[in-house]
Amino acid sequence: DGGITQSPKYLFRKEGQNVTLSCEQNLNHDAMYWYRQDPGQGLRLIYYSQIVNDFQKGDIAEGYSVSREKKESFPLTVTSAQKNPTAFYLCASRFQQGPYGYTFGSGTRLTVV
Amino acid sequence: AQTVTQSQPEMSVQEAETVTLSCTYDTSESDYYLFWYKQPPSRQMILVIRQEAYKQQNATENRFSVNFQKAAKSFSLKISDSQLGDAAMYFCASGSGNTGKLIFGQGTTLQVKP
Repeated sequence: DGGITQSPKYLFRKEGQNVTLSCEQNLNHDAMYWYRQDPGQGLRLIYYSQIVNDFQKGDIAEGYSVSREKKESFPLTVTSAQKNPTAFYLCASRFQQGPYGYTFGSGTRLTVV
Repeated sequence: AQTVTQSQPEMSVQEAETVTLSCTYDTSESDYYLFWYKQPPSRQMILVIRQEAYKQQNATENRFSVNFQKAAKSFSLKISDSQLGDAAMYFCASGSGNTGKLIFGQGTTLQVKP
């Protein structure tokens, strides 16, 4: 079955450490997105990519980095520069054309320890 | 800048009754789409309904329908015959037809009482 897979489900980061969240899709979607969700808030866009080898900053890109070397994969690195990384992270994908909504992954819960 | 506002942090409805969730948005884009997403306790985002802004006809999906008022930039969600499984956080979102970027509202928590 086609879908979008995020791993791991739970991730713990020590102070000053970089961590990478994985996002893989087999839907042949062109565009991929990373969102952050904090308690009591909506989703905020971190980065997005409409084609391979190209990506754009979203509203809260500071302290994060991404790559898009393959159409299927869009990993997110949370760097030590991100001062408050504890949050729920959601990856999503969609076809570039048309009104279709996103397909979302099941999310990664990142906690700083 | 695009903004989406949900003014009702929490709502409750009796099972089998009807409830309406409010949403207003602001966008400078001419090509955009509007969505309602449901997030149950599992935190999986589930598409409830979508509306193409260029269409005047309100979208419907079974028990879910929208009231899209383009001039007023309003996009409310009506849930008819509410069921216990409808209890969740509901997010309104505005999407760019160009970049596909979605801007989300703050969410409305819906409680369904048996």
